[in-house]
Amino acid sequence: ILNVEQSPQSLHVQEGDSTNFTCSFPSSNFYALHWYRWETAKSPEALFVMTLNGDEKKKGRISATLNTKEGYSYLYIKGSQPEDSATYLCAFPGNTGFQKLVFGTGTRLLVSP
Amino acid sequence: EAQVTQNPRYLITVTGKKLTVTCSQNMNHEYMSWYRQDPGLGLRQIYYSMNVEVTDKGDVPEGYKVSRKEKRNFPLILESPSPNQTSLYFCASSFQISYEQYFGPGTRLTVT
Repeated sequence: ILNVEQSPQSLHVQEGDSTNFTCSFPSSNFYALHWYRWETAKSPEALFVMTLNGDEKKKGRISATLNTKEGYSYLYIKGSQPEDSATYLCAFPGNTGFQKLVFGTGTRLLVSP
Repeated sequence: EAQVTQNPRYLITVTGKKLTVTCSQNMNHEYMSWYRQDPGLGLRQIYYSMNVEVTDKGDVPEGYKVSRKEKRNFPLILESPSPNQTSLYFCASSFQISYEQYFGPGTRLTVT
């Protein structure tokens, strides 16, 4: 089974702090990298799907970068707010046909007021 | 409203009693998928479908069946549920795997 690793497992920051987490994936045969945000008692919601090396995407205070050659993606949150508290998941199509989606176990972020 | 619906949302059943969890999407998506979420293990893919009549195993398919007779529906069937299938289940859909997945609200299943 393909391994998609996320770090840290959890993070506790104060309101206003900026933070970032990492998703590592196999660098060979890259196809796409997904980021999702998952709030407690809700369903995961897509943040970004990234396909090109060097890609950088932004949605409000959240942005992501992608390095396919070394097999990692960073997710940044600028000026964290309590409503950013959630689990952030990355996912990678993980078979030779690129149709099976493998999720990391996530980074759980808690932002205290 | 574009959405993925799942039913039931909550189900408590007994070992061996066949059940079906329905999933339907109204976005004309070709790709549909089932996941289970267990503490410490994250989301694991059970089965996926690239189009009508095309299904394939994910990472944890044992004990599950699926069918894709229509584009909008992708039911998950547990022929003989066991306690180790107690979990939170999500259905998701997208145009293709390189597009964002839209998740249903989840089904919490307990097998006693």
